[in-house]
Parts: sequence; C-alpha cells; structure tokens
Amino acid sequence: EAGVVQSPRYKIIEKKQPVAFWCNPISGHNTLYWYRQNLGQGPELLIRYENEEAVDDSQLPKDRFSAERLKGVDSTLKIQPAELGDSAVYLCASSLGMNTEAFFGQGTRLTVV
Amino acid sequence: ELKVEQNPLFLSMQEGKNYTIYCNYSTTSDRLYWYRQDPGKSLESLFVLLSNGAVKQEGRLMASLDTKARLSTLHITAAVHDLSATYFCAVDSNYQLIWGAGTKLIIKP
Repeated sequence: EAGVVQSPRYKIIEKKQPVAFWCNPISGHNTLYWYRQNLGQGPELLIRYENEEAVDDSQLPKDRFSAERLKGVDSTLKIQPAELGDSAVYLCASSLGMNTEAFFGQGTRLTVV
Repeated sequence: ELKVEQNPLFLSMQEGKNYTIYCNYSTTSDRLYWYRQDPGKSLESLFVLLSNGAVKQEGRLMASLDTKARLSTLHITAAVHDLSATYFCAVDSNYQLIWGAGTKLIIKP
C-alpha cells in the first residue's frame, strides 16, 4: 500500500518568491494535516482537513500561506511571498479520521535564501 | 494551553544498556503517540496509547501511559545501534496533536 506522497522533496528559493508543496494522502484517509518542522523541534500543525473542509487552520499564517484540498484527496500548500524564516521541513500526514493514527510523508525541505 | 515536555532531549548510551525517555504533558488527555524519526526521514508511528495504564511493547521498546500523572515513558531494553534516532511523543488535544521537542538518542556500539 502506498504511503503519503509529497513533492518536491527539496526546494530552494529566493525570498519573496512563491512556492507550492503537494501531498497525496493514503487512499481512503479523510483527514489530512500539514505540519511545519523546524530543525531540532517537533512538528507544528499548520492546517487540518476533514475531507475538503479546513477544520483547524488557527496556526496557519494566513497573510502568506494558503492551502487547498480539492475533492477531498490531494492537497497543496502555498507560500507567497516566502520569507527567510519559512525555511523548514513541511510535512503532510493523513489518517482515517480524527483521533486515529496519522501517517506521515517524507516531507519537503524548504530553504529560503 | 497544552504543553508537552520530553526529557532528556539528548541521550548517548552504550549498546546493551537500558534507559527511559519521559514525556510529561500539562492537561488532561487520554491519547498519546510515540513516533520515531531518522535523520532526514519522516516520522514513523511506534505506539498509540489510548487509556490509563496502557502498555505496549515492540521488540526492545516498551511504552506506557499514566493519565493521572500525565506521564508517558518509552523504555529501551538492551539498546542496539539500530535504535539510534529521535523519538517524539505527541499528545492529543481537541483532535490536534501537540508534540514534544524530541529526544535524540545515540547508541554507541
């Protein structure tokens, strides 16, 4: 069974440029999460979807970050414009539903220069 | 606000030794997860602990949960080099996982 697939694996961009990350969750998983992980820290939730509805986006910096999950399957996370402080690993995870085990993708390592 | 604290944050130990990683959290929760992360890799689920007194074991790792003390432990028995990784605990709070900072474990041959 395929796991959570993310692309790209690595991205280097100049500050003020836009960037987008893509996530394909495990088939049948209704819940999708985007996390940001800084070096030496645990993940921080950015947004959680139940099907196509964003049910928790309280930690998403909405001035520059946006996300969508069309048709309740794949999801994209966008940053525009990127700032130096956005350098981190962006992790996507999915689960069958709320309160169930989450499975993580490999992540996208973003470097903003 | 739920806070999750792990200790130690860094642990270097010899193969064959036993050790325990602690995860304390600040508010009521009855669902706790342990994950493993290898350098440059994603997070791998190890254990899901769902109730007070829950104990789960997989190989040389054993996790337990005491919801009254708001404490979970991850015990490593007779450590081997392959267990070197960073271990995270995560506590469920209103359907959101709050993560500890991680314990970086280095096991020397």
